[in-house]
Amino acid sequence: GAVVSQHPSWVICKSGTSVKIECRSLDFQATTMFWYRQFPKQSLMLMATSNEGSKATYEQGVEKDKFLINHASLTLSTLTVTSAHPEDSSFYICSATSGTGANVLTFGAGSRLTVL
Amino acid sequence: SQKIEQNSEALNIQEGKTATLTCNYTNYSPAYLQWYRQDPGRGPVFLLLIRENEKEKRKERLKVTFDTTLKQSLFHITASQPADSATYLCALAMDTGRRALTFGSGTRLQVQP
Repeated sequence: GAVVSQHPSWVICKSGTSVKIECRSLDFQATTMFWYRQFPKQSLMLMATSNEGSKATYEQGVEKDKFLINHASLTLSTLTVTSAHPEDSSFYICSATSGTGANVLTFGAGSRLTVL
Repeated sequence: SQKIEQNSEALNIQEGKTATLTCNYTNYSPAYLQWYRQDPGRGPVFLLLIRENEKEKRKERLKVTFDTTLKQSLFHITASQPADSATYLCALAMDTGRRALTFGSGTRLQVQP
């Protein structure tokens, strides 16, 4: 079945630094990738939609200059949290779809970011 | 945009019983509805998809119903096992024509041995 690999699974960084999270579709070409954020005991909140070769579409309230998304190939999308602050600490999860048929999402295992 | 309510935050049942989880949505009727399972600290895993013209869908011990009049889906796990303990999320397309999914807040199921 479809597999999405997300790396790193957890990261701790100092306030003001940038962190990059990678999301790879291992056995299929992901025309679209979605980045979600999840706070403890809350549901997934969509941050942005990323289509290969084009700029990401950000949801209202998500700062595009803070959360840089790059989808340079059909198998790789990256999320960079720039100038991270403690309030950016969260669980970030990517998902991918091949774009055919109904939009079933394959999720990565998630990345736990802690900003000190 | 679509609003989803999963009106049980947590559900505790005894092993062997049937768990029933509810998902209600408020806006436009979607072409399909999906259910996912999420374990602590992990990404969600797709379980079942049901289309608007389907009343019921089954997969092993799982059964999903979809009532577009009531704007509701029910998710059943029969003969539940402790390994079924997880959070279950329902999901719909955020808006007509959008591929992105919006998720309910989830129901945390605990199956007691």
